[in-house]
Amino acid sequence: QVQLVQSGAEVKEPGASVKVSCKASGYKFTEYYLHWVRQAPGQGLEWMGWINPNSGGTNYAHKFRGWVTMTRDTSITTVYMELTSLKSDDAAVYYCTRGPSLTSHPTAFDPWGQGTLVSVSS
Amino acid sequence: QTVVTQEPSFSVSPGGTVTLTCGLSSGSVSTSYYPSWYQQTPGQAPRPLIHSTDVRSSGVPDRFSGSILGNKAALTITGAQAVDESDYYCVLFMGSGVWVFGGGTKLTVL
Repeated sequence: QVQLVQSGAEVKEPGASVKVSCKASGYKFTEYYLHWVRQAPGQGLEWMGWINPNSGGTNYAHKFRGWVTMTRDTSITTVYMELTSLKSDDAAVYYCTRGPSLTSHPTAFDPWGQGTLVSVSS
Repeated sequence: QTVVTQEPSFSVSPGGTVTLTCGLSSGSVSTSYYPSWYQQTPGQAPRPLIHSTDVRSSGVPDRFSGSILGNKAALTITGAQAVDESDYYCVLFMGSGVWVFGGGTKLTVL
């Protein structure tokens, strides 16, 4: 079955960077966009951007440009999201989720990874 | 910057019908925004319900339906059940490879 498995929880100090991984399985990795979405405690979902696993091309929400980087390793069907210069309000659960195929119109974000809790504290 | 709007909270009686909406701070939502809807319970990842305005995701009961009502996307739950008490999020495709989530609606069934 299609599955996304994320790396474990992280605790970081302000100003540090965090890199979260998301391993995909059960489908052809290079045929679907992978997106990242975050959710701060008690808050709503926030779309961060996507990566095209085939080309490595990315598109980030305006808010995150300059301090988020999404990459992929096709050999291990894994994508990564790195966030730099962490602040306290970056503390959140970070989700990866599969988006539409590279050749289709926008469809559902399905499935979702289990989420990775990133805590930011000195 | 365009904001996607949702009712912060809504209440429905068991067996009743409720319609949650998803709008824009400026302009109207149409099928071109490919609206999709997600259900989330505490501590869980979002669950896809509806995409492309009105297409139910796999395994979603037919009491959930999506549509465009006036200038907004809508999620209607017909015959609400206690298990439907959750947070509901819409997301719109804004073009240029950009998506934006609404703030979410907390649905209470009582």
